[in-house]
Amino acid sequence: KAGVTQTPRYLIKTRGQQVTLSCSPISGHRSVSWYQQTPGQGLQFLFEYFSETQRNKGNFPGRFSGRQFSNSRSEMNVSTLELGDSALYLCASSLSGIGGAPDTQYFGPGTRLTVL
Amino acid sequence: LAKTTQPISMDSYEGQEVNITCSHNNIATNDYITWYQQFPSQGPRFIIQGYKTKVTNEVASLFIPADRKSSTLSLPRVSLSDTAVYYCLVGSARSYIPTFGRGTSLIVHP
Repeated sequence: KAGVTQTPRYLIKTRGQQVTLSCSPISGHRSVSWYQQTPGQGLQFLFEYFSETQRNKGNFPGRFSGRQFSNSRSEMNVSTLELGDSALYLCASSLSGIGGAPDTQYFGPGTRLTVL
Repeated sequence: LAKTTQPISMDSYEGQEVNITCSHNNIATNDYITWYQQFPSQGPRFIIQGYKTKVTNEVASLFIPADRKSSTLSLPRVSLSDTAVYYCLVGSARSYIPTFGRGTSLIVHP
């Protein structure tokens, strides 16, 4: 089975611009989560989508948004970029998260965003 | 949400057993404990998950005492390739906002 794929792998933007990152989950996985990883803050949860609906949300400003399509692929968007948005953005997919135990999350390689 | 506390860093040597303890004093009845491993410039990878007592798989063991207020990830006979950051997460599927935090940076020396 193919793993989680993320595009692009690297991105350079300037302050004030916006950016869209894409994530294709493992086939059959319906839940997609997004994370931001920085040296200062570590690995932080952004949001999770399931069946095209945002199911959980972390503590990030409204500039960070996402969506999920009917084929479970997901995109996240960051508007009005700030220098502090420079980070590794990771996407993870899991089956459904409906059972008692949290489903295993399978992470993609990430998109390295640099804001100048 | 249950908050977790784990050591920031640990050092070990090849061939030794490494135990990383995670504290989660306010763990809820329905919460599970999950450990992930992350290598530089890669996404985290699932290691092991448990609810109570002991769980073992081909790479690690997870010890959970009766009160479940802490858990210990045990890595037998570590090698250089086990150098990574290890994260402890607590939660259930229904109310799950994964909190990875900074994890424990394990460095294995020759």
